[in-house]
Amino acid sequence: QKEVEQNSGPLSVPEGAIASLNCTYSDRGSQSFFWYRQYSGKSPELIMSIYSNGDKEDGRFTAQLNKASQYVSLLIRDSQPSDSATYLCAVDSGSARQLTFGSGTQLTVLP
Amino acid sequence: DADVTQTPRNRITKTGKRIMLECSQTKGHDRMYWYRQDPGLGLRLIYYSFDVKDINKGEISDGYSVSRQAQAKFSLSLESAIPNQTALYFCATSGSGEAQETQYFGPGTRLLVL
Repeated sequence: QKEVEQNSGPLSVPEGAIASLNCTYSDRGSQSFFWYRQYSGKSPELIMSIYSNGDKEDGRFTAQLNKASQYVSLLIRDSQPSDSATYLCAVDSGSARQLTFGSGTQLTVLP
Repeated sequence: DADVTQTPRNRITKTGKRIMLECSQTKGHDRMYWYRQDPGLGLRLIYYSFDVKDINKGEISDGYSVSRQAQAKFSLSLESAIPNQTALYFCATSGSGEAQETQYFGPGTRLLVL
């Protein structure tokens, strides 16, 4: 059973701080990694995708991938109350046929 | 208009009833997926389809069936609904590159089985 584990929440940070979300995965053959944001009662929406080791930045968001450690993270700089949501880590199966999702980390940004 | 639509958005049914959840997409994607989401369990894959003739079971397919009527339409059926199928159901689509591509989700169907 391929697994994707996320750091248990909920996570609370003050407005303007950096929020750090972590994810580990078990399938060494995985090639594609995604972070989705899900507001309560809504559908997941893509925040970042990353395919190569290292950092990928998009505005206030930075995804970090370390395939040797089987670890992917998401940093949110200058956190805003509107960032309060559940963040889902998703990892492909290695055969590019499906994604496995972590159970999510609930983030609250306090004004 | 939304790229991925699901009908109905909410459904209440009784144990033993057959129900169908429908998904349509205008993104032109070949790949379509059905997930269920339960509190604290994330998204779990029920079925996925890479084209009209390619349908595959996911992690939790028992008690469900699917039909890919066309490239744009993928339906999920519960042949005889039971209370533990109460959940939020999402349809998703993606492109068909070599690497797994981003999945785009519909708005979800909230199902309650009494």
